[in-house]
Amino acid sequence: KNEVEQSPQNLTAQEGEFITINCSYSVGISALHWLQQHPGGGIVSLFMLSSGKKKHGRLIATINIQEKHSSLHITASHPRDSAVYICAVFFTGNQFYFGTGTSLTVIP
Amino acid sequence: DGGITQSPKYLFRKEGQNVTLSCEQNLNHDAMYWYRQDPGQGLRLIYYSQIVNDFQKGDIAEGYSVSREKKESFPLTVTSAQKNPTAFYLCASTLQGSGEQYFGPGTRLTVT
Repeated sequence: KNEVEQSPQNLTAQEGEFITINCSYSVGISALHWLQQHPGGGIVSLFMLSSGKKKHGRLIATINIQEKHSSLHITASHPRDSAVYICAVFFTGNQFYFGTGTSLTVIP
Repeated sequence: DGGITQSPKYLFRKEGQNVTLSCEQNLNHDAMYWYRQDPGQGLRLIYYSQIVNDFQKGDIAEGYSVSREKKESFPLTVTSAQKNPTAFYLCASTLQGSGEQYFGPGTRLTVT
């Protein structure tokens, strides 16, 4: 069983649409990350959350610790947002577990 | 600039050959990790190391070996015992206990 579940697996949106990607996890965690992976493979960290909400530009990440759920929102989506978005959780003991990713395509 | 470097970006090998993937970081991070990424699957942990001269097996360590002789370096050897070595390999590091992980650009290994 994967400790981290993401949905949807694939998402296609028109430019300008509001996008939500969801992540659920099964055990208590120290922190949750949202990562972005572009074609070519490099991964960058977008957010690290342990509670509440964070905003960076058009990206917003929220986490509900009691419900073990996090969402990544993209407002006014743009074709350059097309990428794979990965949820990762950090447990004590310095180990991370990763969701399978959400492949986002934003069409002009 | 601080960061993680992996080389080479693309690597091709014949079946039966061992191959070593390089990972170097100048972030002064204590912990380093190797992950494997296959289509449709999340990143899976191969090995990790929290301090020099110490490392632990991850979920899919069979057919791989690592060393951690220096804090900055954590090379991964894909041995001929690995049944399906073709994959994208990512190295990462964290400052001990910080929970913030930095990734290298990855190496795409193709074995034929």
